[in-house]
Amino acid sequence: DAGITQSPRHKVTETGTPVTLRCHQTENHRYMYWYRQDPGHGLRLIHYSYGVKDTDKGEVSDGYSVSRSKTEDFLLTLESATSSQTSVYFCAITGTVNTEAFFGQGTRLTVV
Amino acid sequence: KNEVEQSPQNLTAQEGEFITINCSYSVGISALHWLQQHPGGGIVSLFMLSSGKKKHGRLIATINIQEKHSSLHITASHPRDSAVYICAVVSGGGADGLTFGKGTHLIIQP
Repeated sequence: DAGITQSPRHKVTETGTPVTLRCHQTENHRYMYWYRQDPGHGLRLIHYSYGVKDTDKGEVSDGYSVSRSKTEDFLLTLESATSSQTSVYFCAITGTVNTEAFFGQGTRLTVV
Repeated sequence: KNEVEQSPQNLTAQEGEFITINCSYSVGISALHWLQQHPGGGIVSLFMLSSGKKKHGRLIATINIQEKHSSLHITASHPRDSAVYICAVVSGGGADGLTFGKGTHLIIQP
């Protein structure tokens, strides 16, 4: 299995609080992605990174920010959590754009 | 934006049956992934292909670039194959990640 871990695996938080999810990889892959998975929508891209300090927005980036200060870590921050951000969040990595993708185990986030 | 459609959305079959899941997309791609997700579980890559056909055990994936269509076949299906199967495509330069279908929920009954 590819070395990719997400933390925490589960979190319940209150509306308006900031939340940070962490994705850690040991594969030295260049590309890292944050997706959210919702019933009826499938997986959608939030933000991605193509190198240290190089990030860009995805399809559903409003309300989220990211940082990548080291190759191995990609952080997703919900600046002020809302109930619409209740979802399952997946991190993914690839070495190059046309190679196999590896996914973390997911983080189930509930905003109450 | 690439639109990825999967069919069927739900499929229930008996153990041993031959299963086909279809994926079509609207814009040319550089690669297509088939992924598997068990209930409450993570997402596992089954295949990545850009042309032709790949086989791994009882799973076969094919792609027709001209018709913008791919199929995932499961031979001699088994209850442990019960999962959600997701098609995802790499468009353009590909650095901006995958575009996903909504998945096919497969149940194999003993």
